[in-house]
Amino acid sequence: DAKTTQPPSMDCAEGRAANLPCNHSTISGNEYVYWYRQIHSQGPQYIIHGLKNNETNEMASLIITEDRKSSTLILPHATLRDTAVYYCIVRSDSGGGADGLTFGKGTHLIIQP
Amino acid sequence: DAGVTQSPTHLIKTRGQQVTLRCSPKSGHDTVSWYQQALGQGPQFIFQYYEEEERQRGNFPDRFSGHQFPNYSSELNVNALLLGDSALYLCASSSISGNTIYFGEGSWLTVV
Repeated sequence: DAKTTQPPSMDCAEGRAANLPCNHSTISGNEYVYWYRQIHSQGPQYIIHGLKNNETNEMASLIITEDRKSSTLILPHATLRDTAVYYCIVRSDSGGGADGLTFGKGTHLIIQP
Repeated sequence: DAGVTQSPTHLIKTRGQQVTLRCSPKSGHDTVSWYQQALGQGPQFIFQYYEEEERQRGNFPDRFSGHQFPNYSSELNVNALLLGDSALYLCASSSISGNTIYFGEGSWLTVV
């Protein structure tokens, strides 16, 4: 079973920041938080990941709470092309490379014009 | 730099038949994983290959098998196809020394 809980759907106005929450209350000390998104009929796209510090890249920002039990993915200026299913995934850093990902149902983010 | 490429993009098979799907990993990646995504569901991990051996396996029957070649490319084989095998099959690649997994666009399989 997925170790994360996400709202099934969210709306956001175009041009505004989209804030997608994720609960991972059972996360272990060596588990990272990963975010992927999947636009309809395409393969999942990597967005960002982090362990305990906040992270930012050209696509998004990831805010992880101090107790690491939840996180928020922020898309700073959402566009219509950001409409997708967003998956929050926790995965251990086993040191042996990338283990299989366990996807939940994700959040369907709909950007409204 | 090509990303993860998969073929074919779409195919239709009949129940009981066998199918082979192919994947070329992203340049510099040596690990390939396969996922099955049924309509309306998240991807489900099938197995992972590294150094031409199955390294990890999800909860899939033995009808699902794979292979990795010396050039790191991979095949997914499904025997005795069932209607329930209709899905998007995704290939993902990564480096054994890295953390990030990149996905291809998938192969749509329809079993009739």
